[in-house]
Amino acid sequence: DSGVTQTPKHLITATGQRVTLRCSPRSGDLSVYWYQQSLDQGLQFLIQYYNGEERAKGNILERFSAQQFPDLHSELNLSSLELGDSALYFCASSVHSGLNQPQHFGDGTRLSIL
Amino acid sequence: AQTVTQSQPEMSVQEAETVTLSCTYDTSESDYYLFWYKQPPSRQMILVIRQEAYKQQNATENRFSVNFQKAAKSFSLKISDSQLGDAAMYFCAYRATPGGSNYKLTFGKGTLLTVNP
Repeated sequence: DSGVTQTPKHLITATGQRVTLRCSPRSGDLSVYWYQQSLDQGLQFLIQYYNGEERAKGNILERFSAQQFPDLHSELNLSSLELGDSALYFCASSVHSGLNQPQHFGDGTRLSIL
Repeated sequence: AQTVTQSQPEMSVQEAETVTLSCTYDTSESDYYLFWYKQPPSRQMILVIRQEAYKQQNATENRFSVNFQKAAKSFSLKISDSQLGDAAMYFCAYRATPGGSNYKLTFGKGTLLTVNP
């Protein structure tokens, strides 16, 4: 158990819909990272938050957004969903973005778009 | 931009034997971190081992060790005494050091390891 909690584990929805994925980092971790794992793109970094502030952005679509709340949990919002958004979405956390701390991953949320 | 290449999409090994998974990367930075993550069928991402680029000594974690060749930008993973539970997808990952542009992990495409009894 990595200590990173992601909900829900599975999500099935239709094209055009909007979903919210939730992540609770390990106790004491200030940084949260979101990754997308798909068959064609592999594992790709989406976005990072550190102590409530956006720190870095990767290949995140404009239809996607995220935030980190004062209690440090994070949410990834995906809107106007398309078939190609079907993927496994991972959240990872680390103590501090600036130190040699590995990222610990949650179990992921599997999103299926029908 | 940093890239990570795993040239072996699939590998197989007999139980109790040794296997080496290859990884090369491209970066213009002199200091960085490298990681191997394991993803079993359960889909969890599990950290196996990590290496700081400024350290010449290769990292070791029990049956797992790395061969880090900085000049060649190579970072291979050796699994000794392979066990059935080692069967998984293995990902090599790169991360910039503190002070770099950001701290994202850049992953390779992965190597699927099968362990034969």
